Amino acid sequence: DGGITQSPKYLFRKEGQNVTLSCEQNLNHDAMYWYRQDPGQGLRLIYYSQIVNDFQKGDIAEGYSVSREKKESFPLTVTSAQKNPTAFYLCASIGQRGSSYNEQFFGPGTRLTVL
Amino acid sequence: QKEVEQDPGPLSVPEGAIVSLNCTYSNSAFQYFMWYRQYSRKGPELLMYTYSSGNKEDGRFTAQVDKSSKYISLFIRDSQPSDSATYLCACSSGSARQLTFGSGTQLTVLP
Repeated sequence: DGGITQSPKYLFRKEGQNVTLSCEQNLNHDAMYWYRQDPGQGLRLIYYSQIVNDFQKGDIAEGYSVSREKKESFPLTVTSAQKNPTAFYLCASIGQRGSSYNEQFFGPGTRLTVL
Repeated sequence: QKEVEQDPGPLSVPEGAIVSLNCTYSNSAFQYFMWYRQYSRKGPELLMYTYSSGNKEDGRFTAQVDKSSKYISLFIRDSQPSDSATYLCACSSGSARQLTFGSGTQLTVLP
């Protein structure tokens, strides 16, 4: 059963700690994305990767880091430099729908709370 | 000004009502227009997409795009309590690689 998995579902972090959010996909998709969702603000792009060993900053990359060592995996690290990390984090990958459109498929999300 | 504006609601309607959800955008380069549905504490799922202007129908859902006024709409006929969710519009100038999302409209359909 193909899809995107994110873990953990809920994550609690103390101030000053780094935490890593997992994102795995078995859809054989090349491109993967990380978004942050806050109430009333929709989805904002943190980082994206179009191919293994390459990634680009999105609109709000400060305080975050990523790696893309394998096609299936795109972990996101929320560092202590991120001043307001409490949010819902969504991972997505891109695959083709029909012959003309590439769809973004989303994982179930990780809710991060800073204590 | 955000590139994609969406009324956050919340919107509450009785079961069976016709629902109209709307977004406006400012970037003339946008060619693909999507509607995602997101249930509480879940990831968004693609509901409909439209390329350029026009209408697209899928069951009880109709998506409309008017590029001349930069206005996109989603209509839900015979709304059901199971339609209760947040609806996000999204726009792209390419084939979904860079999506710009609206803030989402929270919809509740009351039985």
